[in-house]
Amino acid sequence: DIQMTQSPSTLSASVGDRVTITCRASQSISSWLAWYQQKPGKAPKLLIYKASSLESGVPSRFSGSGSGTEFTLTISSLQPDDFATYYCQQYNTYSPLFGQGTKVEIK
Amino acid sequence: QVQLQESGPGLVKPLQTLSLTCTVSGGSISSGSYYWSWIRQPAGKGLEWIGRIYTSGSTNFNPSLKSRVTISLDTSKNHFSLKLSSVTAADTAVYYCARGLLGGSWGGYYFDYWGQGTLVTVSS
Repeated sequence: DIQMTQSPSTLSASVGDRVTITCRASQSISSWLAWYQQKPGKAPKLLIYKASSLESGVPSRFSGSGSGTEFTLTISSLQPDDFATYYCQQYNTYSPLFGQGTKVEIK
Repeated sequence: QVQLQESGPGLVKPLQTLSLTCTVSGGSISSGSYYWSWIRQPAGKGLEWIGRIYTSGSTNFNPSLKSRVTISLDTSKNHFSLKLSSVTAADTAVYYCARGLLGGSWGGYYFDYWGQGTLVTVSS
C-alpha cells in the first residue's frame, strides 16, 4: 500500500515568509497529487491538482511541484489568510490517501 | 455553482448504524463523470476516505471499512447516502461528502467540491 508522509508536521512562520511543505509517497504516483487547505471548523479546499495545476480562484502565491515520490507546496509570500492546515492527497490509485497534514502557524 | 450538504443524526448509539445523506445542488448527480465520496475526520486528526459511488452506481470502499459501509445514489432526489454499521466510539468524527474528479492512472480522483461537514458522535 502507498504511504504518504508530510513534513514538517507543524511550521511556524511570519507574514511575508516563503513557506515550503513536502509530501513524500512510498512509491511513485507520477503527478497524481493534490493539495488542500483546511481552516478550523471548515471543509478542506482544493488548491493544487496534478502536482502543479492551480485550481481556479486560488491565489498565484500558491504553487506545487514534483513528480514520482517527492512533492512540494510553496506559498511564495505568506498572508494572514494562509494560516491553516495543509494536506496532500495521492490519487494514483482508486483508493485516495491523504497525508497527515502540516499546520502552518503564526511565529 | 455546485453545493453539497450533509444531513443526518448527530448522535448514534454503539453497534447501531450511522446513516447520512448528501444533497447536491447546482448540478445533476447523474450527469458527468464524478465520484461522489464520503470522507471523515476525527477531532484533531487527519482525513480518511471512506468510499465512493460513481454516477453509474458502481462503488469502491476503503478496505479498512469495507465490511461495514454501504453507499447508494438516489438520482430522483439528487442525493447520495452513507450507511456505516456496527459503529463504535472510533467512528466518532466529522463526516464530509465530496465530489471526486477522475485524474489518476488507475481510476484515482481528487476532490473539488466538499460539503461543510457534519459531526457524528457515537455514544450511549
